[in-house]
Amino acid sequence: AQKITQTQPGMFVQEKEAVTLDCTYDTSDQSYGLFWYKQPSSGEMIFLIYQGSYDEQNATEGRYSLNFQKARKSANLVISASQLGDSAMYFCAMREGLSSGGSNYKLTFGKGTLLTVNP
Amino acid sequence: DSGVTQTPKHLITATGQRVTLRCSPRSGDLSVYWYQQSLDQGLQFLIQYYNGEERAKGNILERFSAQQFPDLHSELNLSSLELGDSALYFCASSQEGGTSLSTDTQYFGPGTRLTVL
Repeated sequence: AQKITQTQPGMFVQEKEAVTLDCTYDTSDQSYGLFWYKQPSSGEMIFLIYQGSYDEQNATEGRYSLNFQKARKSANLVISASQLGDSAMYFCAMREGLSSGGSNYKLTFGKGTLLTVNP
Repeated sequence: DSGVTQTPKHLITATGQRVTLRCSPRSGDLSVYWYQQSLDQGLQFLIQYYNGEERAKGNILERFSAQQFPDLHSELNLSSLELGDSALYFCASSQEGGTSLSTDTQYFGPGTRLTVL
C-alpha cells in the first residue's frame, strides 16, 4: 500500500484564488511528520510547510496552510491568493519512526500534483 | 537558495561508466540524505549519513555507494551505469537526523541531472 497518496495528478486555479492540494497518508506510528515541497520547472525542491502529528494547530506559513485531519489521515495543502509563480509540482512527504527513537529519517514522497495557475 | 550545494548540475555519460556526485550540506547540518527522482519511480530515498556515519539505507543499488567526509560534504558514487540510472539525484541536509522529535526539516540542493546514453 502506498504510504502517501496524492490523488490529483493535475490542478488548475485562477490567479488570486485559493486552491487545495490533497494528501492522504498511511502509518501505524503515533509520532510522525508531514511535509510539503514545491518543485518548479527548474527542478529544485523547495520546503514549504511542516506539520507534526502531535501539533494541535494547523501549520501556516504565509500563504500556505496545512489542513491536518489526523483521524482521516489527511494533510491537505491550501494555497491562498494563488500567484503565477505558484505553478509547479507539489509533493507531500512523511517522516515516520520518530516515537521509537529509531533512525528512520527518510522522507517518503507522494507522486505529486502539478498545479497550474492561470492568469 | 536552500544553502545545499550540489555539483555538477548536469552529467552526461555512457553505459558502464562510473560517476561521482558531490554535495555540501547547509552550514551546521550534520545529516546528508540522497534521493533519486525518476519518471517511473518518483522520489526515492537512497541513503542517509549522519556526522560521517551511515545512518539509514533505502532503495540503493549495490552499484551505488556513498560516503560523508569529516568536513561533512558527501559524495554519491554510481558505477556500471545503466540507461535506467538516468534521473535527477538530490542531496538534502538537516540539522540532526538523530532521535529528536523536532521538525528536522530536510533542505534540498538543486540536484544533479544524470543522463546515461
